[in-house]
Amino acid sequence: NAGVMQNPRHLVRRRGQEARLRCSPMKGHSHVYWYRQLPEEGLKFMVYLQKENIIDESGMPKERFSAEFPKEGPSILRIQQVVRGDSAAYFCASSPQGALNTEAFFGQGTRLTVV
Amino acid sequence: RKEVEQDPGPFNVPEGATVAFNCTYSNSASQSFFWYRQDCRKEPKLLMSVYSSGNEDGRFTAQLNRASQYISLLIRDSKLSDSATYLCAVNVAKTSYDKVIFGPGTSLSVIP
Repeated sequence: NAGVMQNPRHLVRRRGQEARLRCSPMKGHSHVYWYRQLPEEGLKFMVYLQKENIIDESGMPKERFSAEFPKEGPSILRIQQVVRGDSAAYFCASSPQGALNTEAFFGQGTRLTVV
Repeated sequence: RKEVEQDPGPFNVPEGATVAFNCTYSNSASQSFFWYRQDCRKEPKLLMSVYSSGNEDGRFTAQLNRASQYISLLIRDSKLSDSATYLCAVNVAKTSYDKVIFGPGTSLSVIP
């Protein structure tokens, strides 16, 4: 009964490269949230997805960032042409239904370092 | 005004002290509220949900005040192991869906 699985746990990229972060929700969960946490800061909402649908991407930077949650497979957060400011911990959370009255379960996060 | 705000920290308290955190939210239609705990370099983990009537779990008590739009967390008899960052989370009701927004967190250090 695995929890939310994120990989890789740590990712190092050079400026200008692409970063792909993967999140497999808990079994039976069809709602996925991505959050970014900068050092010494709180969790910032990025995007909320259901299978094959982006519900709310109001927290996603307008350029270079994209997210998907295909019918099969994990949710992917993709960052193109990474810059130093993208260095952060990226957490994925899943829930069995929408946020109403439902807690979100978090993965262990991916720590992205851009050098 | 930010959607969810918390007491600025850090809080440094001696073992055995009682400490309270407050969190305010701006969306009056919000219906579910949570307190999470986050240890350094770890993922947030649910500490407790917050119910309208208030709820208690051992040394932890959560309260909700809908009229003033704030929630609180009270920790009694603080232990060293309570040292962590405490995040409040509020569902923000949109037209056809809800999403969970987190406050910036309040850091607690319990000192021997």
